[in-house]
Amino acid sequence: DIQMTQSPSSLSASVGDRVTITCRASQDIKTFLNWYQQKPGKAPNLLIYTASNFQTGVPSRFSGSGSGTDFTLTISSLQPEDFATYFCQQGYSVPRTFGQGTKVEIK
Amino acid sequence: EVQLLESGGGLVQPGGSLRLSCATSGFSFNTYAMSWVRQAPGEGLEWVSVISGTGSTTHYADSVKGRFTISRDNSKNILYLQMNNLRDEDTARYFCARDRAAAAASGGDWFDPWGQGTLVTVSS
Repeated sequence: DIQMTQSPSSLSASVGDRVTITCRASQDIKTFLNWYQQKPGKAPNLLIYTASNFQTGVPSRFSGSGSGTDFTLTISSLQPEDFATYFCQQGYSVPRTFGQGTKVEIK
Repeated sequence: EVQLLESGGGLVQPGGSLRLSCATSGFSFNTYAMSWVRQAPGEGLEWVSVISGTGSTTHYADSVKGRFTISRDNSKNILYLQMNNLRDEDTARYFCARDRAAAAASGGDWFDPWGQGTLVTVSS
């Protein structure tokens, strides 16, 4: 199985800050890496697919990059509605696996 | 509008069974694979199972293999998860989610959209 490791597991940031979350796969997954945002009590919501493609309606302050084993999710200017938990997920093979999540909290 | 609505969760004793359902609307159900993903309280996401659009191909996480069965009724646009021999560690919110394509493991898959989930509690 492909292991997905996110870092950090949590971070505190202020509105307007630039935030970067990283995700590392245990083997080459090409660009088959997706990012989700989850708010408390809600279902996850797809933000970015295949490493760098925006889902419809996702604000342009979100961006994704990477290939192979190392990937990043960047929020260029954190907004109040961005405080949430973010998960990466590899779509390269079954079983599909997720990172453990990164909780973005208000400083 | 694409909608997914799970039901069937509840409290069950260890060793018991439950069948979850996911009623869908707003898209051509039989042209998409469908997955179940679960989230234990306060924990991360764990993929459980996937079924192809035709229902002919299924895959399971090792943690549920032999105990859970995924199925679908394409005439009713409903996805199911039959859960047998439930354990304490199966306690979680179970989400159904639409896959990218019809094949169960086509590569490059993602989950969108997701239902709101149904809570399964396994406890004596």
